[in-house]
Amino acid sequence: AQTVTQSQPEMSVQEAETVTLSCTYDTSESDYYLFWYKQPPSRQMILVIRQEAYKQQNATENRFSVNFQKAAKSFSLKISDSQLGDAAMYFCAYRSGLYNQGGKLIFGQGTELSVKP
Amino acid sequence: DGGITQSPKYLFRKEGQNVTLSCEQNLNHDAMYWYRQDPGQGLRLIYYSQIVNDFQKGDIAEGYSVSREKKESFPLTVTSAQKNPTAFYLCASRITGATYEQYFGPGTRLTVT
Repeated sequence: AQTVTQSQPEMSVQEAETVTLSCTYDTSESDYYLFWYKQPPSRQMILVIRQEAYKQQNATENRFSVNFQKAAKSFSLKISDSQLGDAAMYFCAYRSGLYNQGGKLIFGQGTELSVKP
Repeated sequence: DGGITQSPKYLFRKEGQNVTLSCEQNLNHDAMYWYRQDPGQGLRLIYYSQIVNDFQKGDIAEGYSVSREKKESFPLTVTSAQKNPTAFYLCASRITGATYEQYFGPGTRLTVT
């Protein structure tokens, strides 16, 4: 079975600085997708960024980028120029590429990010 | 506006009562999902459905039941057999296909006393 681990329950960053959130996963599959979701205090889950396992290039979305190390099964999220609105719980998630897995997401435990002004 | 609605936002029930959480989507998505979130934990999958009239158990299905009679709707019933029902429940949906991600509803906070 696949697992996702986030070893940092809490992180803190100064406004305008850069922070990296860690995520490791375990799988024997070769076709899969990885995601970072943000959950602000409103508790609405918001997709931040996604990475297809077959792509070597790391995904980027504006100030958000990932460091995808497939061999190490590591998928970290880097937030540049941190803003107060980035404060939230961040979840790393895995999804199998196999149709019979139903597209379900497997989540890590989450990392609570605080941003200091 | 297209989206996923969950109602109500807060729900209170007495122990021993069944309660049904609503999830509706107008995104024309094929697949729908129910997750449970507890403090300090990630989301855990309860049930999912990829097509109408079909659904599969997730990792923590015991004490829950679902139905999928319409594409737009995927209600979740929390039965009295669920030992710790107090939690935050999130519904999600997606288009079936490898490249499509899940979209989440706003969630329902269920408190059972």
